[in-house]
Amino acid sequence: QVQLQESGPGLVKPSETLSLTCTVSGGSISSYYWSWIRQPPGKGLEWIGYIYYSGSTNYNPSLKSRVTISVDTSKNQFSLKLSSVTAADTAVYYCARPMITFGGVIVSLAFDIWGQGTMVTVSS
Amino acid sequence: QSVLTQPPSVSAAPGQKVTISCSGSSSNIGNNYVSWYQQLPGTAPKLLIYDNNKRPSGIPDRFSGSKSGTSATLGITGLQTGDEADYYCGTWDSSLSAPVVFGGGTKLTVL
Repeated sequence: QVQLQESGPGLVKPSETLSLTCTVSGGSISSYYWSWIRQPPGKGLEWIGYIYYSGSTNYNPSLKSRVTISVDTSKNQFSLKLSSVTAADTAVYYCARPMITFGGVIVSLAFDIWGQGTMVTVSS
Repeated sequence: QSVLTQPPSVSAAPGQKVTISCSGSSSNIGNNYVSWYQQLPGTAPKLLIYDNNKRPSGIPDRFSGSKSGTSATLGITGLQTGDEADYYCGTWDSSLSAPVVFGGGTKLTVL
């Protein structure tokens, strides 16, 4: 079955750019949306953004000025870049697959597959 | 402050039933489907319920979901100690805010 695995540095300095990659195995990245979600220590889930396999994106307005999500279909990977990080960006970062169906007025959304998560600490 | 409101904690004894509420508005729960996630300690969230009341393959029927107006409810019957976890609701939001929103999470304690 499809599995997701996050990879990237666990420690990032303040003001620098956080970069993570999610590798999709057991299936194709094509024809699906892919997303990043984060969870600060002891807190709830925060959606960062998603990308369609074709490259179209949608970001959380609260992070939009600092976020870039990209996809590499040849490698079956998608990536997250978050610039100008501060301590507030310290969190476990998850990649996940959102199943999104736009049914006219109503939208069906569910994250059916998640990576195990990777802890990223912002500190000098 | 989360867009969707959940109680911070609920508790019940093994074998009992518990419900977890998720309150939103017409721009999110009121006009879109709701999903629910279970996050066991130290692990990634896992999809429990989608489209308000559907269970993915492998999720026992002890877990159920419902929606009425701008609120949704997760029900768990026959509580087990292994059900101790954080539970999150999520949905699409059609307003000018982030299109994907989650509740703040509810910690379930099985006494």
